[in-house]
Amino acid sequence: DVVMTQSPLSLPVTLGQPASISCRSSQSLVHSDGNTYLNWFQQRPGQSPRRLIYKVSNRDSGVPDRFSGSGSGTDFTLKISRVEAEDVGVYYCMQGTHWPLTFGGGTKVEIK
Amino acid sequence: EVQLVESGGGLVQPGGSLRLSCAASGFTFSSYWMSWVRQAPGKGLEWVANIKQDGSEKYYVDSVKGRFTISRDNAKNSLYLQMNSLRAEDTAVYYCARDLSMDVWGKGTTVTVSS
Repeated sequence: DVVMTQSPLSLPVTLGQPASISCRSSQSLVHSDGNTYLNWFQQRPGQSPRRLIYKVSNRDSGVPDRFSGSGSGTDFTLKISRVEAEDVGVYYCMQGTHWPLTFGGGTKVEIK
Repeated sequence: EVQLVESGGGLVQPGGSLRLSCAASGFTFSSYWMSWVRQAPGKGLEWVANIKQDGSEKYYVDSVKGRFTISRDNAKNSLYLQMNSLRAEDTAVYYCARDLSMDVWGKGTTVTVSS
């Protein structure tokens, strides 16, 4: 199985400051079709998960442009350019290239 | 509005069974893979199972193989998860999600396995 390793586990951030979450996979996420199926999800307290980013860097409709995804191969990053109060929650990366589908362990973003 | 609504959760004894349902609306259900994902109390997300648009392909996480069965009824816009031989470690909120990339999620239904 592909292991997805996120860091840090916890990320205290000052409002208005940037934040960065790393996600590393135990093997390349480049699919035989040429796509890289790496997604990012946000789970606010008490809510269901919400997809933010798909295929590494494509932002979902309605997602603020302060969120961006980047990376390739086995190394990926989610960045928030300026953290707002509504960004508090847990962020998960997920790979959809290999079966079984696997999630990272999550990164908790909180306000300092 | 695209919507997924799960139901069927509850309290069940170890070894028991439950059938979860997910009612889809606002999109062409038969055009999408569908997923079940669970979240144990205080834990992260775990993919459970997927089913192809026509039900011809199904995939499961190893820990539920042989115990859980995913199915769908495209005429009823519904997704199901039959869970047998339930264990304490199956206790979780179960979410259905649209597509392999999980672009839409329901609010979840809670399954508690306890004596």
